[in-house]
Parts: sequence; structure tokens; C-alpha cells
Amino acid sequence: DGGITQSPKYLFRKEGQNVTLSCEQNLNHDAMYWYRQDPGQGLRLIYYSQIVNDFQKGDIAEGYSVSREKKESFPLTVTSAQKNPTAFYLCASSIGSRTTQETQYFGPGTRLLVL
Amino acid sequence: AQKITQTQPGMFVQEKEAVTLDCTYDTSDQSYGLFWYKQPSSGEMIFLIYQGSYDEQNATEGRYSLNFQKARKSANLVISASQLGDSAMYFCAMRGTNYGGSQGNLIFGKGTKLSVKP
Repeated sequence: DGGITQSPKYLFRKEGQNVTLSCEQNLNHDAMYWYRQDPGQGLRLIYYSQIVNDFQKGDIAEGYSVSREKKESFPLTVTSAQKNPTAFYLCASSIGSRTTQETQYFGPGTRLLVL
Repeated sequence: AQKITQTQPGMFVQEKEAVTLDCTYDTSDQSYGLFWYKQPSSGEMIFLIYQGSYDEQNATEGRYSLNFQKARKSANLVISASQLGDSAMYFCAMRGTNYGGSQGNLIFGKGTKLSVKP
């Protein structure tokens, strides 16, 4: 079955630690996205990638980094510079047609908690 | 600036009744798309329905329909014959052509929590 997987489901971070969230898709989509969701809030875009080896900052990129070495994978690293990382992180992908009707499909999410 | 507003933090509906979730948007783009997503307590965002700004007919997908009123800049989601499994957060989202100088990015409202009562 085609879909998007994210791991781990829960992640705990200690002070000063970098952690990496995994996102893999087998939908053959060109575009991938990372969003952050805080309680009672909508989603905010962290980073996105329209093609392999290229990515762009979203609205709240500070304290985060990404890579896109393979079409299927778009890992997100939460660095120690991100002072308030506790949130729910959602990965999404889309065909990459850049039309207004392009639909994004989401993974199950990773909940990051700070110890 | 582009913006999505969902004014209902929470809604209750009786099972088998219909319910309307409100969404208004603000954009200067002529071409844009409007989306609704459902987020159950498990967290995954599930795509429900899409409406294009040039679509003359309201979109429908099974029990979901989108009441699109372009002049009022509203895109309300109507769920008919509510089921207990419809209890979830619902998010309205929009994609324009010039959001933030980059194409293809969605902006989301803050969501409405729907609770279906048996």
C-alpha cells in the first residue's frame, strides 16, 4: 500500500540534544513538507522540498534542518537551537505539480517531548 | 496577506444530523484552492474535499460537501448524516499562487473540534 510513514511515534529530547524525525513516502511524490502543530493551533510550515537535493525554508525554519538526498525520504532534525521543540510534527507529500489543486497527503505524525 | 479563519473552536451535533463547519478566507489571488482536512485523535491529517476558485459547482465527496460562496470568501464544510466516527478536529486550508512568494504551500486555519453525540 502506498503511503507516508513517520518514525518514531514519540520522541524525547534532552537539553542541548539534536534529534532527527524520519519521514518516508512510497507515493512517488516529488514534493515533501514538514509542519509543526501546537495545541489548539493549525499547522505551520517548517521546511519544504519540491525536488531531490533542494529544499526551502517555511514560516518557522529557525532551529530546524532538513535534507533531501532521496526522493522517498525527507528527515527533519530538531537542533538544540530550537528552544521550544515540544509539539506534534507532521510530514506531508504531494505530486509537485505546483497547481492550486495539488493535494497534500500526511503521515501519522511524531510527538516530540522535552525531558 | 493570506489568511484562513475558523470561528468555531468547538461544535456539537447529534448523530445522524447534518452540521456545518465555517471557514472564511482572505486572499488577493484570483486562482486558489480550498481544502478541508479531518484530524482524529490519532493525529493523522486526512484529506476530505477540495474546491477550486474557478469551480462553478460546489464540491461533494460522499457525505461531505463544500458550500463555496466566493463573494463572501467562505468555504463551509457540510457533513450530512453525522456518525460517531466524525468526532475529530477539522481544518480548512488554502493554497494561492503567490503565498509567501512560493507556490504550492498551504495555510491552515486553527480548526474546529466536532463532537458527535449518540
